[in-house]
Amino acid sequence: DADVTQTPRNRITKTGKRIMLECSQTKGHDRMYWYRQDPGLGLRLIYYSFDVKDINKGEISDGYSVSRQAQAKFSLSLESAIPNQTALYFCATGTGGDEQYFGPGTRLTVT
Amino acid sequence: QKEVEQNSGPLSVPEGAIASLNCTYSDRGSQSFFWYRQYSGKSPELIMSIYSNGDKEDGRFTAQLNKASQYVSLLIRDSQPSDSATYLCAAGSNYKLTFGKGTLLTVNP
Repeated sequence: DADVTQTPRNRITKTGKRIMLECSQTKGHDRMYWYRQDPGLGLRLIYYSFDVKDINKGEISDGYSVSRQAQAKFSLSLESAIPNQTALYFCATGTGGDEQYFGPGTRLTVT
Repeated sequence: QKEVEQNSGPLSVPEGAIASLNCTYSDRGSQSFFWYRQYSGKSPELIMSIYSNGDKEDGRFTAQLNKASQYVSLLIRDSQPSDSATYLCAAGSNYKLTFGKGTLLTVNP
């Protein structure tokens, strides 16, 4: 079984809809991260959490919110999706040093 | 604003050659450096980490770090078609990573 799982893997939604992307990990890592990846822009950090009670905004948090339900679960919500939130979304985990390990990604399309 | 710059590519090398990927970073406080490999449509995979000046070798991969020049590189020896991917350089500090935009490498059989 994969160490980091993301659901759904693909999602098409309409402008204005609320959508939640979920991330679960069995690595036992304390730190969890959400990134988006856009062609030509690379990976950009949306939110990160160092433990269940610690949530921090990344460089592009506007339009997003997160919930750390447990050490193993970190969800990303788009309250009212807009087309420029169409992207590939990755969850990552970390422990010990700075290195991070990525989930398989969610391809989100907002029409 | 922390930045990581990579040679934009794409980089094309013949099979068996050495591929050289380069990266510079702006934040002198960066303490750790990583190379990730990302196949098209897949997630980034950690392939190398380096923390101190000098070279670090792992199989066909060698990472090089020069903190004075704020420069990181990755050499891939005996390149194989399976090495064809986008390579992401990342600089880390305080448990956060700043990524470059990646360099697309194509290894031609």
